[in-house]
Amino acid sequence: DTAVSQTPKYLVTQMGNDKSIKCEQNLGHDTMYWYKQDSKKFLKIMFSYNNKELIINETVPNRFSPKSPDKAHLNLHINSLELGDSAVYFCASSQYQQETQYFGPGTRLLVL
Amino acid sequence: AQSVTQPDIHITVSEGASLELRCNYSYGATPYLFWYVQSPGQGLQLLLKYFSGDTLVQGIKGFEAEFKRSQSSFNLRKPSVHWSDAAEYFCAVGARNTDKLIFGTGTRLQVFP
Repeated sequence: DTAVSQTPKYLVTQMGNDKSIKCEQNLGHDTMYWYKQDSKKFLKIMFSYNNKELIINETVPNRFSPKSPDKAHLNLHINSLELGDSAVYFCASSQYQQETQYFGPGTRLLVL
Repeated sequence: AQSVTQPDIHITVSEGASLELRCNYSYGATPYLFWYVQSPGQGLQLLLKYFSGDTLVQGIKGFEAEFKRSQSSFNLRKPSVHWSDAAEYFCAVGARNTDKLIFGTGTRLQVFP
């Protein structure tokens, strides 16, 4: 059973389009996260949600909007995609804030 | 502000050799410390973590790490490297009053037969 899953695994799209990435965790965790990994492999947190409530928003452009329909899901919607949005996006979850974070397999986004 | 430094961008070792990957952090109090491994095209897998207690922690796949407060370090070690250990290794620090993880820039490990 996959603990943290993301769909799609790969996403290739044109500039200006709107796209969504979905994340689901079956670990019963309270907190979920989105990270961005750039081409140099640098990982940076974007958002975290605890029990569907936004906890962290790390100066991410407004074009990025996370949505948490329930505590097992945290989706990421991106409007008006730009070339610089090309990256690998990782979802993660943890039982409590500050506990170990478990990562999904990543979504590789390429904006052309 | 918290920060993590992994001084070695790329390390190459022979299979069977010992390994040490360096990690230094900057944080005002005792942090939570983690090592994650990322195989090519894969997500991040937790190798080990330090929250408190014994400063030498054991992880999966034969890895261990030692927290040295005086040196602000949390170096990862393995006595004998296997070819399957070739991957990207990330050190991360978490603050005790937030749920942010700050990652280092990673060390790419290459293993020669």
